[in-house]
Amino acid sequence: RKEVEQDPGPFNVPEGATVAFNCTYSNSASQSFFWYRQDCRKEPKLLMSVYSSGNEDGRFTAQLNRASQYISLLIRDSKLSDSATYLCVVNVPGGSYIPTFGRGTSLIVHP
Amino acid sequence: DTAVSQTPKYLVTQMGNDKSIKCEQNLGHDTMYWYKQDSKKFLKIMFSYNNKELIINETVPNRFSPKSPDKAHLNLHINSLELGDSAVYFCASSKRPASSGGADEQFFGPGTRLTVL
Repeated sequence: RKEVEQDPGPFNVPEGATVAFNCTYSNSASQSFFWYRQDCRKEPKLLMSVYSSGNEDGRFTAQLNRASQYISLLIRDSKLSDSATYLCVVNVPGGSYIPTFGRGTSLIVHP
Repeated sequence: DTAVSQTPKYLVTQMGNDKSIKCEQNLGHDTMYWYKQDSKKFLKIMFSYNNKELIINETVPNRFSPKSPDKAHLNLHINSLELGDSAVYFCASSKRPASSGGADEQFFGPGTRLTVL
């Protein structure tokens, strides 16, 4: 079982739709959770950190469910510019904590 | 003003050659990383340094040797390049290492696209 798993998609949604992605992690001792966004042929950039209490930034909401070992990202009112790959990152224990990326979920927002 | 820069941006070379990729960050961060992103877009950590000290070394062949002359620079030297080394290599930095328990953002460089022929 992979340490950090994501549905690769693609998720194909119309503008204005609400879309949600999940990311599961296998090690319950994992700490620090993030969502990054990567555009085609570009570097990943932080979208948001995921806090235990959940957090919201405009149209984006991130949540952590420690009991079920997953994090989620909800995007409301999708824009064309939201089209990208969304990577979840989990700091997994292993000697030192290791930043471990999921394979990413591809989102395509169409007119 | 670029926060994390890498050179070169593209590198095309023959199997068996030795090559280096350089990375510099001007953010004043203590921690730097090298990642490899393969053709399936899977981003995997290779190494991390904190204040010039190696803290993460993830089962990478010893043909890969990182070097951190100071905490603003982390270079990657690759010996005897193989076809499977073709990938995009990203450098990144953060204020503190993941082991500190902090939830620090990583800032990535633009990547170096390595093609081994």
